[in-house]
Amino acid sequence: NAGVTQTPKFRILKIGQSMTLQCTQDMNHNYMYWYRQDPGMGLKLIYYSVGAGITDKGEVPNGYNVSRSTTEDFPLRLELAAPSQTSVYFCASNLRGFSGGGNIQYFGAGTRLSVL
Amino acid sequence: QKEVEQNSGPLSVPEGAIASLNCTYSDRGSQSFFWYRQYSGKSPELIMSIYSNGDKEDGRFTAQLNKASQYVSLLIRDSQPSDSATYLCAVCLSGGSNYKLTFGKGTLLTVNP
Repeated sequence: NAGVTQTPKFRILKIGQSMTLQCTQDMNHNYMYWYRQDPGMGLKLIYYSVGAGITDKGEVPNGYNVSRSTTEDFPLRLELAAPSQTSVYFCASNLRGFSGGGNIQYFGAGTRLSVL
Repeated sequence: QKEVEQNSGPLSVPEGAIASLNCTYSDRGSQSFFWYRQYSGKSPELIMSIYSNGDKEDGRFTAQLNKASQYVSLLIRDSQPSDSATYLCAVCLSGGSNYKLTFGKGTLLTVNP
């Protein structure tokens, strides 16, 4: 199994450009997430999804959009890129919620994005 | 008060010593707590989870949870240079849903040979 796969690994954007960060998982997980991590900081939740067709905002959703048309895929769209969106983006997935134990959140390798 | 706080570090310990990492959280009703390790330039990986008060041991790692004091800690015994990484505390806060984690900023640990 590949786990959680993110593409691209690196990208440089100019201010005002748009792009889509791809995320796919092959573990049949219901829950998928997008986080951003700024230098020296923890992970901040951008958007999440609890199943195909269902998405919701996290802590820092402004400037981003998501869709979840299939269980496997959860792309993150950046519209009108701004320097403040320079960050490392991680996609993650888990099978079920975190109460009760036995759940693991798996992370992709990350996408390093610079907006210049 | 921030929801999940970690001692900011960086923390430096000699090889073979015990490294102690601490995390406090604001939501008294939280039930699920996690420690992730993140090597530089890599993604986080889960190393410990804890749900009940007390200690949970896994090899050289021990997680300690005290819900009354709202803190969770991670002890690494016989620290090795390969333990050098950033350690992230994550909490499933009861005020939200049971499928969202809130992360601390992380503590950078360096183990010196």
